[in-house]
Amino acid sequence: QKEVEQDPGPLSVPEGAIVSLNCTYSNSAFQYFMWYRQYSRKGPELLMYTYSSGNKEDGRFTAQVDKSSKYISLFIRDSQPSDSATYLCAMSDWAGNQFYFGTGTSLTVIP
Amino acid sequence: NAGVTQTPKFQVLKTGQSMTLQCAQDMNHEYMSWYRQDPGMGLRLIHYSVGAGITDQGEVPNGYNVSRSTTEDFPLRLLSAAPSQTSVYFCASTTAGGNTDTQYFGPGTRLTVL
Repeated sequence: QKEVEQDPGPLSVPEGAIVSLNCTYSNSAFQYFMWYRQYSRKGPELLMYTYSSGNKEDGRFTAQVDKSSKYISLFIRDSQPSDSATYLCAMSDWAGNQFYFGTGTSLTVIP
Repeated sequence: NAGVTQTPKFQVLKTGQSMTLQCAQDMNHEYMSWYRQDPGMGLRLIHYSVGAGITDQGEVPNGYNVSRSTTEDFPLRLLSAAPSQTSVYFCASTTAGGNTDTQYFGPGTRLTVL
């Protein structure tokens, strides 16, 4: 079983829709949770980072963590064509030296 | 400020050849790491370093060597390339304790082993 599971999609939504992306994990030692966005043929870039259960908002993006269920989500409100990318979740323990990534979910926002 | 740079961008090797992927950062970051990205597998950590002279293995270290003689550079060596090492390789850097700060990724090196 992989440490981090993520539905690869692809996901296709109309512009303006709310997008929900999810990951589950099995290792209860994971304490830090991150979401990265990766455009085609580019390196990943950090979108959101959190280390506690609950919600964290940043503009149109909300990261949600439920440690009891080992489940994290990223919500994108008012999705835009420029949001079309692959979204990767990532996790690490307190030491923060080893990161475990999901496989990524490919998102297309249709104008 | 160039961030994280990687060379080459593309490389084709024959089985058994060796090569070094270069990674450099100009942000004075202590933590650097190498990942490989394969379809359906996501990013997997190969090796990482928390400072000059200190390296450690990640999830998939076999077939790869690293060294860290300076803060800026973290080369990845393939000793005897195999087709299973065909992948996209990303280098990343951040301040020490990588989970507490943004991890910056390079643009990637696309490697094909025939």
